[in-house]
Amino acid sequence: AQSVAQPEDQVNVAEGNPLTVKCTYSVSGNPYLFWYVQYPNRGLQFLLKYITGDNLVKGSYGFEAEFNKSQTSFHLKKPSALVSDSALYFCAVRDTGFQKLVFGTGTRLLVSP
Amino acid sequence: DGGITQSPKYLFRKEGQNVTLSCEQNLNHDAMYWYRQDPGQGLRLIYYSQIVNDFQKGDIAEGYSVSREKKESFPLTVTSAQKNPTAFYLCASSIPGPYEQYFGPGTRLTVT
Repeated sequence: AQSVAQPEDQVNVAEGNPLTVKCTYSVSGNPYLFWYVQYPNRGLQFLLKYITGDNLVKGSYGFEAEFNKSQTSFHLKKPSALVSDSALYFCAVRDTGFQKLVFGTGTRLLVSP
Repeated sequence: DGGITQSPKYLFRKEGQNVTLSCEQNLNHDAMYWYRQDPGQGLRLIYYSQIVNDFQKGDIAEGYSVSREKKESFPLTVTSAQKNPTAFYLCASSIPGPYEQYFGPGTRLTVT
């Protein structure tokens, strides 16, 4: 069965510093990996995805993620955090055999001025 | 949230009443999904549909029902059999294949 782990409930970072939000996954086949962001009382917004190809994926709002097959990880990164990046971030995985996405429990990012 | 609408944004009901949440998309997507979001638990899949007139149970389908009579619409009914219906409900859609899902703005249901 597919699963996703986001080991940190909350990540705190100062504005201007780099940020990392961690995600590890487990699938039986090749993974399709996604990051979403959610602002309070809103739906999820797609940030980026890994399907195949380069291990470093660039997405919206300056975010990027690094796929590491040996460590089964897909960490979200940004070189310089903004206060407006403060939100709830979800990692999700789908393997090649299924149509369903499985989501992690989410990581709250708090960027302080 | 572009292309997917959910109404209403807030919904209040008494215990024992069925309630239907609306989800409409104009993205021409074949697949549609319903999720439930509770604090600290992420998103859990209730039902999904890959084509009109067909749908499958997700991980927490008990107490819920859906229909898919039109490509654009995928309404969710929360029945009185659902033990803990108070939650934030999210609808999503996608095209077939390894593609991202697009989410609506959500409906917050409170049952007292």
